[in-house]
Amino acid sequence: DTGVSQNPRHKITKRGQNVTFRCDPISEHNRLYWYRQTLGQGPEFLTYFQNEAQLEKSRLLSDRFSAERPKGSFSTLEIQRTEQGDSAMYLCASSLDVGSTYEQYFGPGTRLTVT
Amino acid sequence: KQEVTQIPAALSVPEGENLVLNCSFTDSAIYNLQWFRQDPGKGLTSLLLIQSSQREQTSGRLNASLDKSSGRSTLYIAASQPGDSATYLCAVSYSSASKIIFGSGTRLSIRP
Repeated sequence: DTGVSQNPRHKITKRGQNVTFRCDPISEHNRLYWYRQTLGQGPEFLTYFQNEAQLEKSRLLSDRFSAERPKGSFSTLEIQRTEQGDSAMYLCASSLDVGSTYEQYFGPGTRLTVT
Repeated sequence: KQEVTQIPAALSVPEGENLVLNCSFTDSAIYNLQWFRQDPGKGLTSLLLIQSSQREQTSGRLNASLDKSSGRSTLYIAASQPGDSATYLCAVSYSSASKIIFGSGTRLSIRP
């Protein structure tokens, strides 16, 4: 078990470009969460999947953001037409909902800088 | 609105001191509470998780307590070391499947 992995770790893009991040959860974890963290703040929830179904989306997830989890394995988060305000650390977490404490395990994050 | 508040925002103490970080939450019907550590530019490391039915959890020099009725938790760090310097985040969840709601963190600096 190698933990939650995220790629890329850093992304610099120009305003208006599209970016896509990937998250690979701990194997067999059926729940996957995306959070966003800006400087000096705690992470804020964006969206959550149980298997391949997206069950909850935050109002922070504007129509420029889309997340997918095909086949209930890895997930991607895409931001279209990036804005400077999208600059943040994007964190992914996974958990197991069977016979567990439902603890969420976090990946190292993808730091996005929009210039 | 469900909110988590951490005070102080920053704390600097000399090495060897015992210290307490505070966390409060507005809605006491939590499912569990976690304390995380975050090093600059890095992801989150879970330190302790307290279920709603528990009063405290201990791991090494760390002890976290939970008082649901008052909406408070504390993280006690014994015999602090420079390697403990990091941001400590308190977070709550309200069901087994729900999102985690985080505080803004306490940035801790341990002076050698």
